[in-house]
Amino acid sequence: KNEVEQSPQNLTAQEGEFITINCSYSVGISALHWLQQHPGGGIVSLFMLSSGKKKHGRLIATINIQEKHSSLHITASHPRDSAVYICAVRAGTASKLTFGTGTRLQVTL
Amino acid sequence: NAGVTQTPKFQVLKTGQSMTLQCAQDMNHNSMYWYRQDPGMGLRLIYYSASEGTTDKGEVPNGYNVSRLNKREFSLRLESAAPSQTSVYFCASSDPVAGGYGYTFGSGTRLTVV
Repeated sequence: KNEVEQSPQNLTAQEGEFITINCSYSVGISALHWLQQHPGGGIVSLFMLSSGKKKHGRLIATINIQEKHSSLHITASHPRDSAVYICAVRAGTASKLTFGTGTRLQVTL
Repeated sequence: NAGVTQTPKFQVLKTGQSMTLQCAQDMNHNSMYWYRQDPGMGLRLIYYSASEGTTDKGEVPNGYNVSRLNKREFSLRLESAAPSQTSVYFCASSDPVAGGYGYTFGSGTRLTVV
């Protein structure tokens, strides 16, 4: 079992839909990252959080430390949101990350 | 623009050839990393450098070597390439000292070993 599990693996949505991507982890962590990777593109950091909730534009990330679970929400989805979304965790004081396998999101018109 | 610069973007090698992937960051970050990304798997850490002058093995170090040339540059070397090293390689940096731990990634190097 991977230390970081994401669901779903693949997700198709219509423009305007509310989207939720989930991440569960099995180790104690000091922080969790959400990243975005466009096809053929580089990786961009969206959020880093250790508790509660963060919002940036139409993106919202939440984390429940007790349940070892985080969610990434996209409101009013748009085709340009189509990408792979990756969850990664950092344990203790180490700076290196352990990654989930990603959720491939396709938003259609 | 500030960020992480990786070269080359694409490379095809024959089995047994050697090459060095270059990475440089201009954000004055202390920590740098090399990851590989394979289909169906999460990014896996090859080597990392917590600070200038130090390097440590990650999850999949076999077949690779690294050099932290200075604070800006962290290179990854394949001494004798194998088809199993066909992958997309990402360099990244972060700055735990500044308390941010935010990561910045390079654009990736797509390597094919034939």
